[in-house]
Amino acid sequence: RKEVEQDPGPFNVPEGATVAFNCTYSNSASQSFFWYRQDCRKEPKLLMSVYSSGNEDGRFTAQLNRASQYISLLIRDSKLSDSATYLCVVNKPDDYKLSFGAGTTVTVRA
Amino acid sequence: ETGVTQTPRHLVMGMTNKKSLKCEQHLGHNAMYWYKQSAKKPLELMFVYNFKEQTENNSVPSRFSPECPNSSHLFLHLHTLQPEDSALYLCASSQDGAGGLGEQYFGPGTRLTVT
Repeated sequence: RKEVEQDPGPFNVPEGATVAFNCTYSNSASQSFFWYRQDCRKEPKLLMSVYSSGNEDGRFTAQLNRASQYISLLIRDSKLSDSATYLCVVNKPDDYKLSFGAGTTVTVRA
Repeated sequence: ETGVTQTPRHLVMGMTNKKSLKCEQHLGHNAMYWYKQSAKKPLELMFVYNFKEQTENNSVPSRFSPECPNSSHLFLHLHTLQPEDSALYLCASSQDGAGGLGEQYFGPGTRLTVT
């Protein structure tokens, strides 16, 4: 089983729509969770960390479900500039290595 | 813009060539990483240096040779590569304490094509 699994998409949504997608992870001991964003032919950049209680950053909301071992990302009021690949990332306790998912591609159309 | 730079940004090399990729981080971090990213695949961790000591080598072929002369610089020396080594090579850095933070900052990458 892969350490981190994501639906590759693509999720094609109109501007203003809400889009949400999940990521599952295999290691129940994982402690840190992140969403990274990668634009086409660019490097990944940290979008947001995911906290146990869930967290929001503007139009982006991240949730963690430890029992089912998944994290989610919800984007409200989608903008054209939200078009990117979203990478789910986890690491383990006392471990500075990250496990990356292959990414979920979101395309927002006008 | 990130505080991690990589050169060159693009590289085309033959299978018999020797080249080096360079990475420099200006963030004062103590850990640096090399990743390989192939199309439609997750990032693959190649090497990790923590406090200049190599702490990870994920069964990477010996045709890839890392070097970390100090905490700000990281090199990846390449020789006798294969066409399947063509990919985007990303350098990253992080500030790691006990337990690790996990937030890594990436350079723009070197797009490598092996002919």
